Amino acid sequence: NAGVMQNPRHLVRRRGQEARLRCSPMKGHSHVYWYRQLPEEGLKFMVYLQKENIIDESGMPKERFSAEFPKEGPSILRIQQVVRGDSAAYFCASSPRTSVETQYFGPGTRLLVL
Amino acid sequence: GENVEQHPSTLSVQEGDSAVIKCTYSDSASNYFPWYKQELGKRPQLIIDIRSNVGEKKDQRIAVTLNKTAKHFSLHITETQPEDSAVYFCAASNRDTGNQFYFGTGTSLTVIP
Repeated sequence: NAGVMQNPRHLVRRRGQEARLRCSPMKGHSHVYWYRQLPEEGLKFMVYLQKENIIDESGMPKERFSAEFPKEGPSILRIQQVVRGDSAAYFCASSPRTSVETQYFGPGTRLLVL
Repeated sequence: GENVEQHPSTLSVQEGDSAVIKCTYSDSASNYFPWYKQELGKRPQLIIDIRSNVGEKKDQRIAVTLNKTAKHFSLHITETQPEDSAVYFCAASNRDTGNQFYFGTGTSLTVIP
């Protein structure tokens, strides 16, 4: 059973461009969480999704950021018109339907905005 | 919302000694408390967790204690080894409202051989 997959692992964007980060949860996991980790800081909750539904987006900036988890395919975190302050590591985590507590983290996408 | 504080931010111990990391949380409704270990450039890895109906849990050299009344929980690592060197994060969540994790700011543990 493959673990949580994220791609790309590293992403470089210039200010004003769009960044798309993908997360494939573990097989059978229907809950996806996105977290952001700024350099030398802890992880901050951004958004919680289940298939085709955003359950909680209270940690996500209201502008420029959006997330989805379609019926088929990976979850996507999209950042429009990136700014330097968006530079961070973005981790997704997934948990199974039957045991919601434990979250398994992906390797992260390190976004650098020039 | 939930606020988790973690201390100390850095910790150095001699190999073989014990290490203790402490966290406090603000939301009394939180009922799940995991601890993650993160090595440089790697993903966070769950090392131990505890639910609010349990006061202590142990797994070999690692133990976690929870004091619900005081709203604090601690990670104890005994007989530390150099490979324990990493950043450790505590978190708190409420399983009943979505289980979003609220993390502490991390403790950088260095085990000196």
